[in-house]
Amino acid sequence: QQQVKQSPQSLIVQKGGISIINCAYENTAFDYFPWYQQFPGKGPALLIAIRPDVSEKKEGRFTISFNKSAKQFSLHIMDSQPGDSATYFCAARGSTPLVFGKGTRLSVIA
Amino acid sequence: GAVVSQHPSWVICKSGTSVKIECRSLDFQATTMFWYRQFPKQSLMLMATSNEGSKATYEQGVEKDKFLINHASLTLSTLTVTSAHPEDSSFYICSARYSRSTDTQYFGPGTRLTVL
Repeated sequence: QQQVKQSPQSLIVQKGGISIINCAYENTAFDYFPWYQQFPGKGPALLIAIRPDVSEKKEGRFTISFNKSAKQFSLHIMDSQPGDSATYFCAARGSTPLVFGKGTRLSVIA
Repeated sequence: GAVVSQHPSWVICKSGTSVKIECRSLDFQATTMFWYRQFPKQSLMLMATSNEGSKATYEQGVEKDKFLINHASLTLSTLTVTSAHPEDSSFYICSARYSRSTDTQYFGPGTRLTVL
């Protein structure tokens, strides 16, 4: 049973463009929503995370937008660079361990 | 940020043998460690959660007698794949959290297991 639905599966963005990845959840007990970046053959690295008491959080080129009523959150990567090409996972947790989305493979082309 | 290491980074073994993977939190004490499995181009699937000094909690469908987890200290957890078979070939990733009240989970670099 997938508790966090992530889309799109893959994404191609031009260098300098904005990459947008969306996630939706159903469990209202979730209260922590991180995004992880994973390069091939490496473990996931925490990018940015948000709690439901705020609607947006920005760290450098990465922004999380959170819509509590819609139970959706998204990652925006501004000024996307070829080095951002990786797989991105959204996740969520409440009292249970982190649950991951299926991942989005991002390719940033010059 | 906090650092989690894994050893070995890759291992090849024969079918029927056992393999041990170590996970260490290098600069913090991890009260909770998690073991994940990831197949190519797929998401991370939680195998088990372990708290220091207590038995691991396994996710549904994960054989606890096949995947032995030991969290003997606040900086070390081990996963032993017993009687490995080719279908156990996967990318195994550990994660650590330094207290139950902390949200952040730090991930190790992963261990690629290939069973021949």
